[in-house]
Amino acid sequence: AQSVTQLGSHVSVSEGALVLLRCNYSSSVPPYLFWYVQYPNQGLQLLLKYTTGATLVKGINGFEAEFKKSETSFHLTKPSAHMSDAAEYFCAVRGSGEYGNKLVFGAGTILRVKS
Amino acid sequence: ETGVTQTPRHLVMGMTNKKSLKCEQHLGHNAMYWYKQSAKKPLELMFVYSLEERVENNSVPSRFSPECPNSSHLFLHLHTLQPEDSALYLCASSQVHGLTAYEQYFGPGTRLTVT
Repeated sequence: AQSVTQLGSHVSVSEGALVLLRCNYSSSVPPYLFWYVQYPNQGLQLLLKYTTGATLVKGINGFEAEFKKSETSFHLTKPSAHMSDAAEYFCAVRGSGEYGNKLVFGAGTILRVKS
Repeated sequence: ETGVTQTPRHLVMGMTNKKSLKCEQHLGHNAMYWYKQSAKKPLELMFVYSLEERVENNSVPSRFSPECPNSSHLFLHLHTLQPEDSALYLCASSQVHGLTAYEQYFGPGTRLTVT
């Protein structure tokens, strides 16, 4: 079965510092991987996705993620944090087989940006 | 309207009331989803509709009744709810090919409070 583990329910960085949010997955099929961001009292917004091809994917707001098959990881990074990046971030992997029509989400990581 | 819309954005209801949440997607997708997001709990998938057919019901209490009259509209009918049903209810849509879904697009959610 598919699963996603996000290491660290809370991450705190200073403004201008590197953002690194960790995601490890388990999948019985070639994974499709996604990162979403959620601001307070809003829905989830797609940041970026990996399906096939280039393993380094770029998303919106300066975020990028690298798919590493050997490490079963899909960590999210941004070189320089901005106050507006403070939000909750979710990693997700597509289901497989009869569950292929759904995504499996991690528990989320709340990013705090300090001034 | 673009993307996925949800109405109402906020709803307060008593335990004996009947109300409905509405979701509309303007993306031409063929699958729609209801999620429940409670404070400090993982995102819970409630229902999945693919090609207007309910394909998943994750042991959701019968006081929640979904309806998908066409591929663009999804409703969640609520009756005799409990205080623990207070949460953010999110609707999402995606394009499904066979058994494979791709990224999901989320609405802004309905913040439900049961008094």
